[in-house]
Amino acid sequence: EAQVTQNPRYLITVTGKKLTVTCSQNMNHEYMSWYRQDPGLGLRQIYYSMNVEVTDKGDVPEGYKVSRKEKRNFPLILESPSPNQTSLYFCASSSNRNTEAFFGQGTRLTVV
Amino acid sequence: KQEVTQIPAALSVPEGENLVLNCSFTDSAIYNLQWFRQDPGKGLTSLLLIQSSQREQTSGRLNASLDKSSGRSTLYIAASQPGDSATYLCAVIDSWGKLQFGAGTQVVVTP
Repeated sequence: EAQVTQNPRYLITVTGKKLTVTCSQNMNHEYMSWYRQDPGLGLRQIYYSMNVEVTDKGDVPEGYKVSRKEKRNFPLILESPSPNQTSLYFCASSSNRNTEAFFGQGTRLTVV
Repeated sequence: KQEVTQIPAALSVPEGENLVLNCSFTDSAIYNLQWFRQDPGKGLTSLLLIQSSQREQTSGRLNASLDKSSGRSTLYIAASQPGDSATYLCAVIDSWGKLQFGAGTQVVVTP
């Protein structure tokens, strides 16, 4: 089944403790991206990647890192999480940057 | 800066009625437009993608139109069912592949 898989689905962590949210797609898509969804602010792009080893900042990249060492994986790294990064995070992929985007089930992160 | 607006913010209809959801955007230089459905606490499910060269796209009971020049897209859902209750999001896709989302329309279909 074609899908975008995020892990974990739920995470509660403490301020400053590094964490990684994984994202994997099985559709051989070139384009992958991360979004966060917050009440009143909607969905905003954090980072995107057009292909392996090619990444760039989205609208709200501060406090996040990404890497794209393999085509199928695009992890989101929070080196020192803070409470303002409490949010619902989505990973998305598409065959190229202008085609239909498919989203993962989301990761609900709480930073205390 | 692109702004995407969805009106109304919430909508309640009895089962069987047709749904009309509106999406407007300020910058017509978009590549594509995509409609999604989001259930509470769940991910986004893609409903339809309309390419910028298209005026309309259909899938089952769903029909979406796109008028780039006026900055509008409309999603029609025929013969609504309680299972259609969800939040519907539209997103315009720019040349860099970024999706710019509207705030969504929350739909409730009552039996």
